[in-house]
Amino acid sequence: DAKTTQPTSMDCAEGRAANLPCNHSTISGNEYVYWYRQIHSQGPQYIIHGLKNNETNEMASLIITEDRKSSTLILPHATLRDTAVYYCIVRTANAGGTSYGKLTFGQGTILTVHP
Amino acid sequence: DVKVTQSSRYLVKRTGEKVFLECVQDMDHENMFWYRQDPGLGLRLIYFSYDVKMKEKGDIPEGYSVSREKKERFSLILESASTNQTSMYLCASSPLRDRGSKQPQHFGDGTRLSIL
Repeated sequence: DAKTTQPTSMDCAEGRAANLPCNHSTISGNEYVYWYRQIHSQGPQYIIHGLKNNETNEMASLIITEDRKSSTLILPHATLRDTAVYYCIVRTANAGGTSYGKLTFGQGTILTVHP
Repeated sequence: DVKVTQSSRYLVKRTGEKVFLECVQDMDHENMFWYRQDPGLGLRLIYFSYDVKMKEKGDIPEGYSVSREKKERFSLILESASTNQTSMYLCASSPLRDRGSKQPQHFGDGTRLSIL
């Protein structure tokens, strides 16, 4: 699976959009971009994923650049409850062997939403 | 909403004890996973299962075993607990399509296990 690079931490004011970047310059054609977050003392929560087109759901939007080497997760109106560690993961569509379905989290971005 | 339920949020056991961690999901998912999460080491896969009675080793299976007798339940067993197994244990599930690689995994809230 391709390696990802995320900023260590970011701040955002409550009610404003939070834009979390992720670099995945070695991504290959069959790899998806996934975003999860983990609020303190809870399990990771799935947010969104995409292959090449931009995606939107009730939680967030995912913008993937045309060359797919980077992406941005957008929380349109951040709240205090969005304070969490956000993980960007790139995974193959047809992993085999012991990587079969496995998720590998890097260090992620600590997003702090301020009142 | 997908619900993955782990039997305990916090558990304290002694060295040498046999420890059972239970996980139940209510979405009829075929794939189920056990991870441990440690500071600085991220998430590491212990075992996974893609069908009843099927199991495959992940990256760190030593000292653990699993059981999948029913589709909705996946148990992690520490045969003889040791202090280096103190960790946060996370269970996840996903549907079978593409053997879970494209479908997102949904996690439980974790069990924080301390071995004394």
